[in-house]
Amino acid sequence: DGGITQSPKYLFRKEGQNVTLSCEQNLNHDAMYWYRQDPGQGLRLIYYSQIVNDFQKGDIAEGYSVSREKKESFPLTVTSAQKNPTAFYLCASTPRPIRQSNQPQHFGDGTRLSIL
Amino acid sequence: RKEVEQDPGPFNVPEGATVAFNCTYSNSASQSFFWYRQDCRKEPKLLMSVYSSGNEDGRFTAQLNRASQYISLLIRDSKLSDSATYLCVMTRGYSGGGADGLTFGKGTHLIIQP
Repeated sequence: DGGITQSPKYLFRKEGQNVTLSCEQNLNHDAMYWYRQDPGQGLRLIYYSQIVNDFQKGDIAEGYSVSREKKESFPLTVTSAQKNPTAFYLCASTPRPIRQSNQPQHFGDGTRLSIL
Repeated sequence: RKEVEQDPGPFNVPEGATVAFNCTYSNSASQSFFWYRQDCRKEPKLLMSVYSSGNEDGRFTAQLNRASQYISLLIRDSKLSDSATYLCVMTRGYSGGGADGLTFGKGTHLIIQP
């Protein structure tokens, strides 16, 4: 089955701890994106990658880091510098960057991160 | 003006009724527009794209008005399964740079009542 897989579904973070959220796609898409959603809020862009070995900050990148060493993988690390990490994290991918294609995105089923 | 504005609702509508909601946006450079549906504690899913000429998909009709900078969604003969949050979404308009990705409204919560 082709799609976007996020893991884990639920994650708990202790104070001062870094945690990494996984996002894998087998769609051969160039572009991948991370968003955060807080209750009653719209999705906000954290980081994106338009091609392997490249990534850019989105609107709320502080306290987060990413890597894009493989085309199919775009992990997000929530660092201890992110003081309010509790949220629903969503990963998306598109065949080409949206600025080139103007196409919609399809999402993985998300990871819920909470503070212990 | 906020980037994307939607009435958060909730809209409580009896089954079988017609319901419509709008979304206004501020970035005139946005190229493409979409409605997404999000069920409670789930990921958003694409409902339909929105075109200036108006487009229909079964019971759903979407319309874009670029001059007034709003998009609309009409649901006819509403079903219990239509209960969800509907997100107004658009591309960012990339003239002059800026981040890639989409811009999302906060959503309109719809409850269809039996």
